[in-house]
Amino acid sequence: KAGVTQTPRYLIKTRGQQVTLSCSPISGHRSVSWYQQTPGQGLQFLFEYFSETQRNKGNFPGRFSGRQFSNSRSEMNVSTLELGDSALYLCASSTDRGRSTEAFFGQGTRLTVV
Amino acid sequence: GQNIDQPTEMTATEGAIVQINCTYQTSGFNGLFWYQQHAGEAPTFLSYNVLDGLEEKGRFSSFLSRSKGYSYLLLKELQMKDSASYLCAVRDRGGYSTLTFGKGTMLLVSP
Repeated sequence: KAGVTQTPRYLIKTRGQQVTLSCSPISGHRSVSWYQQTPGQGLQFLFEYFSETQRNKGNFPGRFSGRQFSNSRSEMNVSTLELGDSALYLCASSTDRGRSTEAFFGQGTRLTVV
Repeated sequence: GQNIDQPTEMTATEGAIVQINCTYQTSGFNGLFWYQQHAGEAPTFLSYNVLDGLEEKGRFSSFLSRSKGYSYLLLKELQMKDSASYLCAVRDRGGYSTLTFGKGTMLLVSP
């Protein structure tokens, strides 16, 4: 069973540009969440999608957006990039059924803004 | 608001036992998770607690006290490969998969 796949793995962008990151969840998983990980702040929740609907959103500016497609694949977009957006962006998928509903993480996309 | 605290760093010796504590204050509670993350890798699931008490899983155990907002992860018979960051996370709402994470505890296991 394939794991969570994130593309690209590494990305370098210039301030002011925009970027789109992709996440393919484990087959059968309908919930996809995005997190930003930085050394200072740790893992911070961005948003969660379920069946193509955003059902939860973290405390990030409107420059951060996302969507989910009918096949559960998800993308997140960051517009007008700032140096502080440099981080590891992690996607996690889960079945959203059952008590534990553990989240499975992808390897992440390392974004560097210069 | 959400607040999850865990120590920043811990050190231990191979073969020893180490306990990593986590305290939380969240608006709701629907489960506490522990994840392990090696440098440059994705976090991997270790354990889940939603009721008070101890959950044992091989060398790893996790404890929860909901009334105290407290959990710990116990690692026994430490191995060098256990050197990693250990992340405590709380799911605060039923029916959602969103996790709120602590900043992680970096564990260094020495020979």
